[in-house]
Amino acid sequence: AQSVAQPEDQVNVAEGNPLTVKCTYSVSGNPYLFWYVQYPNRGLQFLLKYITGDNLVKGSYGFEAEFNKSQTSFHLKKPSALVSDSALYFCAVRGGSNYQLIWGAGTKLIIKP
Amino acid sequence: GAVVSQHPSWVICKSGTSVKIECRSLDFQATTMFWYRQFPKQSLMLMATSNEGSKATYEQGVEKDKFLINHASLTLSTLTVTSAHPEDSSFYICSAKPGTPSETQYFGPGTRLLVL
Repeated sequence: AQSVAQPEDQVNVAEGNPLTVKCTYSVSGNPYLFWYVQYPNRGLQFLLKYITGDNLVKGSYGFEAEFNKSQTSFHLKKPSALVSDSALYFCAVRGGSNYQLIWGAGTKLIIKP
Repeated sequence: GAVVSQHPSWVICKSGTSVKIECRSLDFQATTMFWYRQFPKQSLMLMATSNEGSKATYEQGVEKDKFLINHASLTLSTLTVTSAHPEDSSFYICSAKPGTPSETQYFGPGTRLLVL
């Protein structure tokens, strides 16, 4: 069965430090992977995606993610965290025949000044 | 680009009434639109997938007669919660996907529904 796991419910990082939000997946075939961010009481915003090509994908707001096929991971990273990065982050993989997304449970990222 | 709007952003209604939520892709044509429901502090639950001009495909456990979805054009999909009950209170989010080869879904800001 296809699935996405975000093993951390919450990640706490001090402002200015690097951050990592973890995501692992299980999917048959080549994965199409996505990261979205949700700010309080708002819809989701697309951050980045991996379809093919370079394993390091750069996205919005200075975020990047590294696709690791052998570890079936797609961790989200940022070199220097900002307080404004505090939000809920979702990892997703495309599954099904109608471009449906399979979602991780979400990770709450808290950046402390 | 790739902006999706939802209307209304929030709604309060009495139990037994019906509520319509609109989802529009403002600057692209959406061949496929998705409707999600999100409970507090939880991930998104896909309710249904709709392709323009055809009937929506509902996920298991989602009542199609209760959650009516219409995707009448390439820029508009509507979700009608019929005979709403307090347990239907939730955050409803739509997303839209441009035609192939784009794989990305773009999300609306969500509609918060409170049924009294």
